[in-house]
Amino acid sequence: GQNIDQPTEMTATEGAIVQINCTYQTSGFNGLFWYQQHAGEAPTFLSYNVLDGLEEKGRFSSFLSRSKGYSYLLLKELQMKDSASYLCAVMDSNYQLIWGAGTKLIIKP
Amino acid sequence: ETGVTQTPRHLVMGMTNKKSLKCEQHLGHNAMYWYKQSAKKPLELMFVYSLEERVENNSVPSRFSPECPNSSHLFLHLHTLQPEDSALYLCASSQDLRAARPTGELFFGEGSRLTVL
Repeated sequence: GQNIDQPTEMTATEGAIVQINCTYQTSGFNGLFWYQQHAGEAPTFLSYNVLDGLEEKGRFSSFLSRSKGYSYLLLKELQMKDSASYLCAVMDSNYQLIWGAGTKLIIKP
Repeated sequence: ETGVTQTPRHLVMGMTNKKSLKCEQHLGHNAMYWYKQSAKKPLELMFVYSLEERVENNSVPSRFSPECPNSSHLFLHLHTLQPEDSALYLCASSQDLRAARPTGELFFGEGSRLTVL
């Protein structure tokens, strides 16, 4: 079966760095997405990786290792507004999105 | 104005009621989706429409009935629901179906929070 694993909840301190991991087992691979979802709001696109390596976008970076079936989202200089759920999703060989259950990130002052 | 708009934002209904959820996208996209989001569970894809034609129905019970009258509007008709159907129902759209980024990237609405009593 296809499966995406990510931690249920993480806590970090304002100004610090946090890494949210995602491991996957899917039938084929056409890219990995990270979405951010604030409570009561729509999920919004954060990043997309299809090749191995690190993609940096401001305070957020996303890493992919296809051989290990592994990705992480790195958030630097954490701000209170970064408190949200972060959803990892993999696009399989049929271009179907397989979703993780999301990681709730709590930022403390 | 958000690109994908869902109404109502909150809905409480009894098990014998009939209600509908509405989704409208202002992005000119060709594909629209209904997802169910339950606490601590992955998003569950329910239905997919491409150019107003239903292309996917993921074993969803018949008490959920989708309708796509045109490429901008999507409805989810609800009838004789069960308490376990209580969840957040998210509508999404993408420029193309079965494509990776950028044309396959999903744009979500804020969801309709459904409570079935």
